Parts: sequence; structure tokens; C-alpha cells
Amino acid sequence: GENVEQHPSTLSVQEGDSAVIKCTYSDSASNYFPWYKQELGKRPQLIIDIRSNVGEKKDQRIAVTLNKTAKHFSLHITETQPEDSAVYFCAAGSKSTFGDGTTLTVKP
Amino acid sequence: DTAVSQTPKYLVTQMGNDKSIKCEQNLGHDTMYWYKQDSKKFLKIMFSYNNKELIINETVPNRFSPKSPDKAHLNLHINSLELGDSAVYFCASSQVQTVETQYFGPGTRLLVL
Repeated sequence: GENVEQHPSTLSVQEGDSAVIKCTYSDSASNYFPWYKQELGKRPQLIIDIRSNVGEKKDQRIAVTLNKTAKHFSLHITETQPEDSAVYFCAAGSKSTFGDGTTLTVKP
Repeated sequence: DTAVSQTPKYLVTQMGNDKSIKCEQNLGHDTMYWYKQDSKKFLKIMFSYNNKELIINETVPNRFSPKSPDKAHLNLHINSLELGDSAVYFCASSQVQTVETQYFGPGTRLLVL
């Protein structure tokens, strides 16, 4: 079956620092890799995604990198702000398997 | 304009009862999903429907029965509720099957007493 592993499970950074969250997947047929942000009490919402024909994608302070050979992709957040505090999920595979989530806390 | 809506938002009920959660999307998407998010925040897919046809049915007790009357609606009926069913249930939709952005509903917070 599909397996998506996400690390770390919790991440605490100082405001202004960078944060990196990594996911590895098992389904080599995966070709779409989204990242969702879920604020407390809210629904998950897409923040960035990447397809398998691209190695990196950037949108202002967030970026995603993909290594298809190694089957891993990462979310990078630069110049973190307190409003970046949330749970972040990656997903991969034909069955929409989500990682277990990373709780990011940005301390002011 | 609510893209994906769910009712009810909160559901408190006794063990053994039967309850339903409704989901509607007005995005014109072909695929809809049900996810369960437990107290540890893990997000697990339960079911997926594409054009009213069941395409994903994960290891879920058969007390859970999804129904899709049309491609804009996906309802979840739960029989004989158990304490372990307490969770937040999210409906979602995507334009095509799984490999596109999913749009989530606001969630239904189910508490079984």
C-alpha cells in the first residue's frame, strides 16, 4: 500500500528563521505533491504544490523541492511569521495518502 | 459562495445512535472524499467517489456507508455509533481523481458520548 512519511512531527522556530518539513513516499507512480496548511479549528487548505516534471517551485516565502529519484519532497518556509503557526500536511500517491502532519510553532 | 459545505458543523450524540453528515460542493468537481481526523490530527481518507461511483474504500467499518446521489453531493451515514468514532470528519472535492488540489469543507465535529 501507499506510505507517506512526514518529518518532523513538531517544529518550533523563532520568528524570522526558516522552517523545513520533509516527506518521503513509496508509490513511484506519484506525480502530484501538494502541501496543505491547517490552522487551529479550520480546514486544510492548499498552500503550494508541485508536479513530477518540476524540481522546485516557489511562491513568495514558501517553496517546495522534489527529488523523484529519492522519492522525497520538502516544504521550505523562509522568514517565518507567527501566522505561519499551523499543522502542515503533505500528500502523495494515487489514493491521496496524507503524511501525519507537522505542527509548526513560530515564536515571536 | 461556499465551495464545499458540510452539515451539521457539530454533532453530539449517544453511543449506539445512527447519524448522517451531508456534504455539497458547487465547484463542478467530479471527485469527492470523506476524511477522518482524529485527536492526534492524523488525516485519513475513508472514501472517494468519482462521478457517483465509489473508487476508494479504505479499511473502514461497514457501519460507515457513503452515498452519492449526484456528483455534487456525498453524504456519510454512520450506524451504531461508538466512542472511537469521535473525530472531525472532512468532506473534500477535486476536479479529477486524487491527483489535483483538494478543496475541503469546514469539517463536522462528532462527539459520541
